[in-house]
Parts: sequence; structure tokens; C-alpha cells
Amino acid sequence: AQSVAQPEDQVNVAEGNPLTVKCTYSVSGNPYLFWYVQYPNRGLQFLLKYITGDNLVKGSYGFEAEFNKSQTSFHLKKPSALVSDSALYFCAVRGLGMSSGYSTLTFGKGTMLLVSP
Amino acid sequence: DGGITQSPKYLFRKEGQNVTLSCEQNLNHDAMYWYRQDPGQGLRLIYYSQIVNDFQKGDIAEGYSVSREKKESFPLTVTSAQKNPTAFYLCASSQNRGNLPRATNYGYTFGSGTRLTVV
Repeated sequence: AQSVAQPEDQVNVAEGNPLTVKCTYSVSGNPYLFWYVQYPNRGLQFLLKYITGDNLVKGSYGFEAEFNKSQTSFHLKKPSALVSDSALYFCAVRGLGMSSGYSTLTFGKGTMLLVSP
Repeated sequence: DGGITQSPKYLFRKEGQNVTLSCEQNLNHDAMYWYRQDPGQGLRLIYYSQIVNDFQKGDIAEGYSVSREKKESFPLTVTSAQKNPTAFYLCASSQNRGNLPRATNYGYTFGSGTRLTVV
């Protein structure tokens, strides 16, 4: 079974400061990792993904994420937070490879990011 | 523009009533999914369909039913057997590449959601 853990229910950061939202995963085979963002009463919007290649992945709105295979982590980062970044962030994983079978995307419980002015 | 349309945006259900949530996509995606979102619980998979006329139960299928008669459509019925249906429901779709690694995108595209409330 595959799983995602987002250990922080909420992350608070001041505008202009760097932010990190943590994510660890467990999956059979190679992982396919995502970050999504959700604004109130809206669907999820894609931020970035990791399939293979460089461990540092760059995505939308200045966000990036670092894949660390040994620590099974995929933390979301941004060098300088904006008030408009305040939203609910979801990490998700899907296993690839024959050992995974057909797997759906498994989501973490979400982390609320609050950026103060 | 291609995308996923969920309707209605808000839905109210009386006790003992069945209601159907609509999900339509024009992305030519093979696979479609229904998730339920509750505060503090993230997204939980209700049902998914990899191909027309086929679907599988997810983690919390009890009290729900689906159909997949057309590639574009994947309606979800919340039956009276679902004792706690008040939630935000999200539909998604994706290309169905199975385990083949050469696909360019395994990601999901989400609709804007339907908020269901029991009255």
C-alpha cells in the first residue's frame, strides 16, 4: 500500500521569508510525486511533479520541491513567501513499475499555509 | 478550453434521499475518479474508472454508486445508505497509462467540486 504523510497541519510564515511544507511517502516501486494547492471551495490545482531526473523540481508560482530518495521525502519550498500563497497544500504519490499494479494517486491530509503580512 | 465540469456547485439533500453529482470532462482522458474531502482528513477515494463500462471501489465506497457509460461522464450517486454525506466532493481525470513509464503525464486534473449538505 502507498501512503503520504504531511506532519504539519498548519505552517505559519511571514511574507518575504522562505517557506517549507513537509511531505514523506511510502510506495512500492519508483514514486511519482505531486504537489497540489487548493483555495477555499475550489478544486485542486497542480503545482509541480517529480518522475525522474533532477532531484530539485521547479513548478508554478515560484514553488520548488526537493526529492530525497533516502529519506523518502518531497518537501515543498519557496524562497520568498507571499500573502497570496496562503492556501491548503496537498502532497500526493503514485507508484510506478510492474510491482505497483494499477495505482491511483494517494493524497496526504493537507497542510494549511498561512502567510502573514 | 479542455477541462472538467462538476455540477451543481452546491447541493442540498434531505434525509433518505438519493442525489446524483455530475462530472463531465472533455480532455479525452481514459480514467476518472471521485474523491471526498472532509476537514482534516484530506482526500479519500470513493470510486474510480479506468475505462468505459468499468469501475472499481476506492477506500470509502459504501453508500455511493457510479456509472461510466460514456468516456466523458462519470456521475456519482450518493444514496440514502450513506449516513454522513455532508462533504466536499471532487472529481478528477487522468490519462490511463497503466505502468508504462513513457507517458508524459500521470497527473490528475480536478473539477471545481460540489459541496453537498444534508438538511
